Amino acid sequence: GAGVSQSPRYKVTKRGQDVALRCDPISGHVSLYWYRQALGQGPEFLTYFNYEAQQDKSGLPNDRFSAERPEGSISTLTIQRTEQRDSAMYRCASSPGYNEQFFGPGTRLTVL
Amino acid sequence: GENVEQHPSTLSVQEGDSAVIKCTYSDSASNYFPWYKQELGKRPQLIIDIRSNVGEKKDQRIAVTLNKTAKHFSLHITETQPEDSAVYFCAAREGGGSEKLVFGKGMKLTVNP
Repeated sequence: GAGVSQSPRYKVTKRGQDVALRCDPISGHVSLYWYRQALGQGPEFLTYFNYEAQQDKSGLPNDRFSAERPEGSISTLTIQRTEQRDSAMYRCASSPGYNEQFFGPGTRLTVL
Repeated sequence: GENVEQHPSTLSVQEGDSAVIKCTYSDSASNYFPWYKQELGKRPQLIIDIRSNVGEKKDQRIAVTLNKTAKHFSLHITETQPEDSAVYFCAAREGGGSEKLVFGKGMKLTVNP
């Protein structure tokens, strides 16, 4: 079946612009997670949802970052007023329940 | 919060040798420990996981062991092949009902033919 998908795969933006990153989880998966992965590092937790409810946003770096999953399926991670330090790979993962998390291909964000 | 340490950061072995990757965690309430393999330019792929109610799990050439008392867990790969070359990440799920995974920094494994 189809895995987790993310769009766009690459995003180049200028400092100060807002960006929206989209995640399509595996169909039927209850939980959806957002991570950020710097080059040569492990994924760093940002936030997660069970259905449409945001359960934990403790990993969001500051209030420029927000996420939503309004219908319990697709999720959007929004970064407002982007800064160069926001440049990274942003990965989404989904899970059918409490354990296994399956990652998407990521969105490579570059802020100029 | 949870802290996961992983070592070594790089490992080079000859084809057919075994490889061991070790991780430690800090949260005694952590109860789920997955391992991911990430090839260059690809997404992390779940290869094996272990829950805190078992001490060892095997799947063909890979096995994971967990020592809850010492708070460490290890990945063992036997009969390594060149296609095992990748970065391997360990992770631990925070306790207290959280679904947050905390990852180690990864280990780059190179299997030389």
